[in-house]
Amino acid sequence: RKEVEQDPGPFNVPEGATVAFNCTYSNSASQSFFWYRQDCRKEPKLLMSVYSSGNEDGRFTAQLNRASQYISLLIRDSKLSDSATYLCVVNNFGNEKLTFGTGTRLTIIP
Amino acid sequence: GAGVSQSPRYKVAKRGQDVALRCDPISGHVSLFWYQQALGQGPEFLTYFQNEAQLDKSGLPSDRFFAERPEGSVSTLKIQRTQQEDSAVYLCASSPLGRGGVNEQYFGPGTRLTVT
Repeated sequence: RKEVEQDPGPFNVPEGATVAFNCTYSNSASQSFFWYRQDCRKEPKLLMSVYSSGNEDGRFTAQLNRASQYISLLIRDSKLSDSATYLCVVNNFGNEKLTFGTGTRLTIIP
Repeated sequence: GAGVSQSPRYKVAKRGQDVALRCDPISGHVSLFWYQQALGQGPEFLTYFQNEAQLDKSGLPSDRFFAERPEGSVSTLKIQRTQQEDSAVYLCASSPLGRGGVNEQYFGPGTRLTVT
């Protein structure tokens, strides 16, 4: 079983819709959580960190549920430019490396 | 300012050849990471440097893989006797903090290695 699991999709969503992704992690020692975005044939880029209290950045909202060990990302009023692969990422206590999920592919349809 | 750069961007190697992949991190960044990304997968950790010290190489898949960062800046990932299963994108990332500080890792564009 992978340490970070995501639904690979693809998610094909009409422009303006709301879309949500979930991700689960297996290591209870995980201490930091992130969503990275990766465009086709490009490098991953940090979208947002995820905090226990939940956090919002414009149209994007991230939530963390430590008890159930899952992380979510909500995108409201989706734009064509949101089309990308969204990578769920965790970092474990005492370890500098990032552990990535396989990514969820999102396509926004005009 | 300049981001993380990697070279070459594309490399085609015949099976059995040795390859060397270069990473120039963001100036002043203490930590440097190498990841391997296979098609349709997320990046997988290979190794981590804090300055010139290689603190974690647990992700290197075999002893054919070797990484160094002799002066604490530029890093090279070397793969000896390449195999087809080595075909992937090799990503380098750097971050400004050292051990104990988790913050954003900035990724380079990657080197796409194809072994034929």
